[in-house]
Amino acid sequence: AQTVTQSQPEMSVQEAETVTLSCTYDTSESDYYLFWYKQPPSRQMILVIRQEAYKQQNATENRFSVNFQKAAKSFSLKISDSQLGDAAMYFCAYRDAWGQGAQKLVFGQGTRLTINP
Amino acid sequence: EAQVTQNPRYLITVTGKKLTVTCSQNMNHEYMSWYRQDPGLGLRQIYYSMNVEVTDKGDVPEGYKVSRKEKRNFPLILESPSPNQTSLYFCASSLMVPNEKLFFGSGTQLSVL
Repeated sequence: AQTVTQSQPEMSVQEAETVTLSCTYDTSESDYYLFWYKQPPSRQMILVIRQEAYKQQNATENRFSVNFQKAAKSFSLKISDSQLGDAAMYFCAYRDAWGQGAQKLVFGQGTRLTINP
Repeated sequence: EAQVTQNPRYLITVTGKKLTVTCSQNMNHEYMSWYRQDPGLGLRQIYYSMNVEVTDKGDVPEGYKVSRKEKRNFPLILESPSPNQTSLYFCASSLMVPNEKLFFGSGTQLSVL
């Protein structure tokens, strides 16, 4: 079964600095999708960024970018110019591209990010 | 506005008292799903539905039931809640394509005493 591991339960960063959140996953599939979700105190789940495994180019969305290392099964999230509004729980998630595994997201344990003013 | 609406937002109940958490989406999505979130475990899928009258178990289905009689609605039923079902619950929906964005409801915090 696919698994996702976030080894950093908590991280903190100074406002305007850069922070990287780690995520590793385990799968025997070659075609899949990876996601980062943000959960602020409001509890809303917000999609931050997604990556297709067949694409070598790393996805970017404004201040958010990923470092996707397929061979190492690593998918880290980099937040540049951190802002107070970035404070949240961040979840890494995996989804198969085909078959039964495509019907669910597998989530990591989450990393709580604190932004220090 | 495109959204997934869950109710109630908070619920406190007692062991064994049947309850239903409602979920409705206005995006004509075929796929809907329920997750529970627990500290240190992330979110785990309870059930999912690929279309009307088509439902299947996720990773943690024990103690839960679902139904999909209409495309827009996907209620979660706890017929005899127990304290280990105290959790934060999310409903989600999307188009059938797996890389499409999954839209989440605002969550239901359930406490079973």
